[in-house]
Amino acid sequence: DAGVTQSPTHLIKTRGQHVTLRCSPISGHKSVSWYQQVLGQGPQFIFQYYEKEERGRGNFPDRFSARQFPNYSSELNVNALLLGDSALYLCASSIGTGSSPLHFGNGTRLTVT
Amino acid sequence: DAKTTQPPSMDCAEGRAANLPCNHSTISGNEYVYWYRQIHSQGPQYIIHGLKNNETNEMASLIITEDRKSSTLILPHATLRDTAVYYCIVRVGFGAGGTSYGKLTFGQGTILTVHP
Repeated sequence: DAGVTQSPTHLIKTRGQHVTLRCSPISGHKSVSWYQQVLGQGPQFIFQYYEKEERGRGNFPDRFSARQFPNYSSELNVNALLLGDSALYLCASSIGTGSSPLHFGNGTRLTVT
Repeated sequence: DAKTTQPPSMDCAEGRAANLPCNHSTISGNEYVYWYRQIHSQGPQYIIHGLKNNETNEMASLIITEDRKSSTLILPHATLRDTAVYYCIVRVGFGAGGTSYGKLTFGQGTILTVHP
């Protein structure tokens, strides 16, 4: 079975630009979460969506936004990129009920120059 | 802030059991213990989780103390491919209290190095 897939795998952008990252969850998973991981630190929670509705938001500025589509795939958008947005962006999917675990993709490596 | 405490690093010989400890003394009754690992440049990999009973799967065993204030992840026969950062995380289930969304709060984890 296919795991969580993310695209693109690597991306280089310039300060001030906009970026869209994409995520396809494991088949049957209705919950998608986004995490940011800067070098040397653990992943930090950005958003969680369940059944196309935002259910949780981390401590990130409004430049970060996301959405979930009817097929449960998701996009993460970041506007007005800053150098500090350079990180590995991880998507995780889950059945979204009870104690069901999150399963992560291998991320998109974003570099802002 | 992370609710768990782990040693920053551990070593293990290949073929031996790796026992990774985690302290979660402030765990709530409805919080589960999850273990993930992350190999360089990959996303975190789910290993195992439990509430209060010991759990075992094809990857590892999870031992939770009776008071639930600490746990140990056991890799029974460590291989070089088990070298990774291991994260112990406590989390409520989805929908707990009507507001939970399954957020994971990662700490610094334990860097496990398996030696030949």
